Amino acid sequence: DVKVTQSSRYLVKRTGEKVFLECVQDMDHENMFWYRQDPGLGLRLIYFSYDVKMKEKGDIPEGYSVSREKKERFSLILESASTNQTSMYLCASSDRGLGWVVDTQYFGPGTRLTVL
Amino acid sequence: SQKIEQNSEALNIQEGKTATLTCNYTNYSPAYLQWYRQDPGRGPVFLLLIRENEKEKRKERLKVTFDTTLKQSLFHITASQPADSATYLCAAKTGFQKLVFGTGTRLLVSP
Repeated sequence: DVKVTQSSRYLVKRTGEKVFLECVQDMDHENMFWYRQDPGLGLRLIYFSYDVKMKEKGDIPEGYSVSREKKERFSLILESASTNQTSMYLCASSDRGLGWVVDTQYFGPGTRLTVL
Repeated sequence: SQKIEQNSEALNIQEGKTATLTCNYTNYSPAYLQWYRQDPGRGPVFLLLIRENEKEKRKERLKVTFDTTLKQSLFHITASQPADSATYLCAAKTGFQKLVFGTGTRLLVSP
């Protein structure tokens, strides 16, 4: 059974704190993604990584950075948390999606982050 | 820009009826569309994929259609049950290795 795990289900942080969200997948997928999901706005891509140490900005990268030192692990970093970063954060992974291979995404359970 | 649109209003139906959800796409022609289910407080879970050369795809009580002329996919749940209540997301490939998701339609099935 495929599995994507996230380090925390719920997290409460203070404004200005540095926040680390970790994601681990056990499917040997090349691609990993970080999204945030807010009511009415749907899933918005923050960053994605298509290989170890490789990353690409998504639609809303401001205020975030990422790290992928190992294939199975993808970290999202909030350098200085702000209240407008209160959200549900979802990690996903997928196959490369080349040729006939489909890049279905497998999601983790999500981290509900509250910044006070 | 490439866009996926789903009806943001919740769909309320009676148990046993067929639920039909709509996904429209604009400004491109995806090779395939994917449908996901999301329960409250959880990550989306993949349900079905339909390719552009397939008119219809079925899996148990689920049926998906893909109309490239209308630029639309319909997602049907037949003999719906309260356990089918969830938000359903449509997604299509955009650019390199990425998917764009619709905002989802919430389905509520009443006993």
